[in-house]
Formats: sequence, structure tokens, C-alpha cells
Amino acid sequence: DARVTQTPRHKVTEMGQEVTMRCQPILGHNTVFWYRQTMMQGLELLAYFRNRAPLDDSGMPKDRFSAEMPDATLATLKIQPSEPRDSAVYFCASGERTTEAFFGQGTRLTVV
Amino acid sequence: RKEVEQDPGPFNVPEGATVAFNCTYSNSASQSFFWYRQDCRKEPKLLMSVYSSGNEDGRFTAQLNRASQYISLLIRDSKLSDSATYLCVVIHYNQGGKLIFGQGTELSVKP
Repeated sequence: DARVTQTPRHKVTEMGQEVTMRCQPILGHNTVFWYRQTMMQGLELLAYFRNRAPLDDSGMPKDRFSAEMPDATLATLKIQPSEPRDSAVYFCASGERTTEAFFGQGTRLTVV
Repeated sequence: RKEVEQDPGPFNVPEGATVAFNCTYSNSASQSFFWYRQDCRKEPKLLMSVYSSGNEDGRFTAQLNRASQYISLLIRDSKLSDSATYLCVVIHYNQGGKLIFGQGTELSVKP
């Protein structure tokens, strides 16, 4: 049963620390999305990739967030330095250009 | 104005009721449409695609009106297990397959 895998599932960190979240998309999917979800904002698109190339990262705070796909089986989202307002659930999703996306279980991040 | 807008609810309905959700989108270039379901503290999951001709899956019916730029979801004979948040989604092919989510409509089905 193919699925998107995200690690870690939960992360508690202190303000100012670096946080790295990882995502393994479904094999064969060429589009990868990173979303952030909070109670107030709902699902916000942070960045997405097609064939490992970034297509749009305009939803991401550039000064502290970065997203990469070092290879087709790994996408990373990094926050440095982290702040309490970054506390949220971060979802990775993968799909193909014209079809629906499949979500991972998310990383629940708490910055204290 | 958000690109995809939904009534956040909550919709509180009794079991067996029929409930309808609407969603409007602002970008006429939007090309594919979906409804997702999200249970509390879980990831969103695809409920159904939405086609111009309308489509049905059991108790669920989805409709698309391109002229008015809205999408609807109808749930008949609602069950307790239908309680969740329903998210409207559009894809923009001309933006590389960008998926845009509405903020979701919360449904609570009561016994």
C-alpha cells in the first residue's frame, strides 16, 4: 500500500533551534507539496516541486524556511531559527500534475 | 479575498439528514476540483473528484458550475461517521499543478 512517509511525527524544540522535517513521496509521483496547518490559517501551501525542481515557494517565509529535494525519494523542510509562531502541523503530499495529492501523516511541531 | 472560499460552519445536523456544502473559487483558470475529508488531528484524504457533469459516490454527490465558479457537495442520509472537516480543492495546471485548499467546512452529525 503506497503512502507518503513523514518523519518525525512529533517534534518539540526550543526557540532558536534548527528543525528539519523529512518526507518520502510515493514512488513515481513527480510533484511534492509542503503545507502548514494551524487552527487559525487552515492549510497553507508553503512550497511545491515538480521533478525535484522548485516551482513555487512564495508561501514560505524565506528568511528562516528552506525546502529541498536532494533526490526523488526525499524532500526536506528546514526551519532555522525556529520561533514559537512556527508551531503547527506540517504536511507533505505527493501526486502527479493533473491528479489529486496524497498526504503524509504530518509532523506536529511545537516550538517553546 | 481567498482563492478558494468555504463556509467554515460548523454544521450540526441529526443522523439521517441531508446536508450541502458550497465552495467558490476565484481563478477561472482552475482546471480540476476535488473534495477532501479531514478527521480531527489526521491528514486530509481524498473523498471524491468533481466533474462538470456531476458525479455521485453512494450517499455523496458533487457538482461543478464553471460559469458561476462554485463547487458543491451533498451528503444524503448522514451518518455519525461523516463527522469531519470537508475541504474543497482546486488544481491550476498552468501553475504546474498547484493544489489550493479552502479553509474547510466542519460537519458534526449528532444521534
